[in-house]
Amino acid sequence: AQSVTQLDSQVPVFEEAPVELRCNYSSSVSVYLFWYVQYPNQGLQLLLKYLSGSTLVKGINGFEAEFNKSQTSFHLRKPSVHISDTAEYFCAVTPYGQNFVFGPGTRLSVLP
Amino acid sequence: GAVVSQHPSWVICKSGTSVKIECRSLDFQATTMFWYRQFPKQSLMLMATSNEGSKATYEQGVEKDKFLINHASLTLSTLTVTSAHPEDSSFYICSARGTYQNIQYFGAGTRLSVL
Repeated sequence: AQSVTQLDSQVPVFEEAPVELRCNYSSSVSVYLFWYVQYPNQGLQLLLKYLSGSTLVKGINGFEAEFNKSQTSFHLRKPSVHISDTAEYFCAVTPYGQNFVFGPGTRLSVLP
Repeated sequence: GAVVSQHPSWVICKSGTSVKIECRSLDFQATTMFWYRQFPKQSLMLMATSNEGSKATYEQGVEKDKFLINHASLTLSTLTVTSAHPEDSSFYICSARGTYQNIQYFGAGTRLSVL
């Protein structure tokens, strides 16, 4: 079975500051890793995904994430956030596209 | 990218009535569809997985008779909340995956409010 931990339930940050949202996972098999964003009262939008290859993955809206197998982590970063980045962010894993397991989410609040 | 349409986006109903939520894949054949439930300020919890033409597989603790799932075609799955009660109020999200796809595409979600 897989599990996902997002240590920070809330992350407040000032506009134009950098941000890192942490994600750690556990799995006995290889997995694909994803970050999704959810704006209020909306569904999930895929930010980026790691399937294989380069461990640094670039996504939409200036986000990137780095897969670290030894630390079983997939932290999400953005060098300069905007007010519009305020949302809930979910890390998820899946063993080769099967059932997704989501983390508890991190609420990113960008302050003016 | 692939598009999944979910309807309605918001529904309010009286206690005891049944509500049907539709999930459609608009530009691909969804061999597998997933239904999630999300409580306020919480993550998504998988309720059930359905493959086209087969009975849905429900996660432990999810009442099959309460949450009826039908996946009759490669582009449509429905979730019917039968005899809804206030505790069924929640945000329901569907997702779909094609045969050779390794990711799921999510609908916009349906907010169910049972009065």
